[in-house]
Amino acid sequence: ELKVEQNPLFLSMQEGKNYTIYCNYSTTSDRLYWYRQDPGKSLESLFVLLSNGAVKQEGRLMASLDTKARLSTLHITAAVHDLSATYFCAVAGNTDKLIFGTGTRLQVFP
Amino acid sequence: NAGVMQNPRHLVRRRGQEARLRCSPMKGHSHVYWYRQLPEEGLKFMVYLQKENIIDESGMPKERFSAEFPKEGPSILRIQQVVRGDSAAYFCASSSAGGPVYEQYFGPGTRLTVT
Repeated sequence: ELKVEQNPLFLSMQEGKNYTIYCNYSTTSDRLYWYRQDPGKSLESLFVLLSNGAVKQEGRLMASLDTKARLSTLHITAAVHDLSATYFCAVAGNTDKLIFGTGTRLQVFP
Repeated sequence: NAGVMQNPRHLVRRRGQEARLRCSPMKGHSHVYWYRQLPEEGLKFMVYLQKENIIDESGMPKERFSAEFPKEGPSILRIQQVVRGDSAAYFCASSSAGGPVYEQYFGPGTRLTVT
């Protein structure tokens, strides 16, 4: 059974600092996704990573994938308040259903 | 091009009533996935449907829950005899077959409250 773990669960960080969110998964998959969710809202797609060594960047966020280690990271550079949200990674299982991690609640303070 | 639509956005039901949640996929999409998000938790897969077919229902509770995606009209997630534990946000996502990336596009969700 495919399982996805994220850490940390909560992250409180100061503006301007850097940090990394980790996503581990238990079995082989060919796709990994990162989503952002604001309170009471739906999911916003951030990145889709398809291959080993894939790296994608958008603004202050950068995601990478190591399929051999079954690990993806979401790196935050010089955090700003607008990045405060919950971030989920998800891995495609059989039949393309998404198995989500527990989420990382990020709070950026001045 | 309209995105994934869900209605109602908020639904309040008393214990024992039925809840019907609707999902209209993006234009041209024939695959629908339903996920449930309990308060303060991640999303959990429930069911995957294509037109007139249930492909994967491994995440559906065995009782009281059913889903359909008819040839015409939206996909419907039906919860019979709701209980307080059914209170959650229910999201549907749609995707199109073919192509190298099966991206799922999420709707705004239906927030079900059982009183």
